[in-house]
Amino acid sequence: AQSVSQHNHHVILSEAASLELGCNYSYGGTVNLFWYVQYPGQHLQLLLKYFSGDPLVKGIKGFEAEFIKSKFSFNLRKPSVQWSDTAEYFCAVNGGFKTIFGAGTRLFVKA
Amino acid sequence: DGGITQSPKYLFRKEGQNVTLSCEQNLNHDAMYWYRQDPGQGLRLIYYSQIVNDFQKGDIAEGYSVSREKKESFPLTVTSAQKNPTAFYLCASSINRDRANSPLHFGNGTRLTVT
Repeated sequence: AQSVSQHNHHVILSEAASLELGCNYSYGGTVNLFWYVQYPGQHLQLLLKYFSGDPLVKGIKGFEAEFIKSKFSFNLRKPSVQWSDTAEYFCAVNGGFKTIFGAGTRLFVKA
Repeated sequence: DGGITQSPKYLFRKEGQNVTLSCEQNLNHDAMYWYRQDPGQGLRLIYYSQIVNDFQKGDIAEGYSVSREKKESFPLTVTSAQKNPTAFYLCASSINRDRANSPLHFGNGTRLTVT
């Protein structure tokens, strides 16, 4: 069965710090990988996705993620966070007709 | 603007009552989904529908029912059989049931409280 594991439930950073959120998935076949973000009071929206090609994908607002097939990982990174990046981040995988989400990571960025 | 509309935003019900959550999309998407979001558990799939008049159970379908009579609409009924119905419910859609790389588009959610 598909599953997604996010390593950190809560992360607190100061502005300008670097961010890396871990995500590992369990699935035997070809997968499509996503990161979604939920800003306070807003709906979930797509941050970036990977389905083929270059394993380093870039998303909105300076975020990027690297797909490492051998490690079943799809970690999210940002070199320098801003206060406005405070949100909840969800890693997700789709290997067929349904998308499975991780438990989410709440990021709080101190100004 | 196209999007997904969930109503109402907040819903309160007494235990033992069925309640139906509305989800409407004008994106012309084939597939629609219902997720439940609980703190620390992420989003868990309740039901999904890839095409009109067809739907499948997700991972936590017990105590829920859905219908897909129109492409635009995918209402979710939380029945009295659902043991822990208080939660935040999210409806989503994707453009094409056959494209697993299609991202999901989400509504703003309905927060259901059952007392």
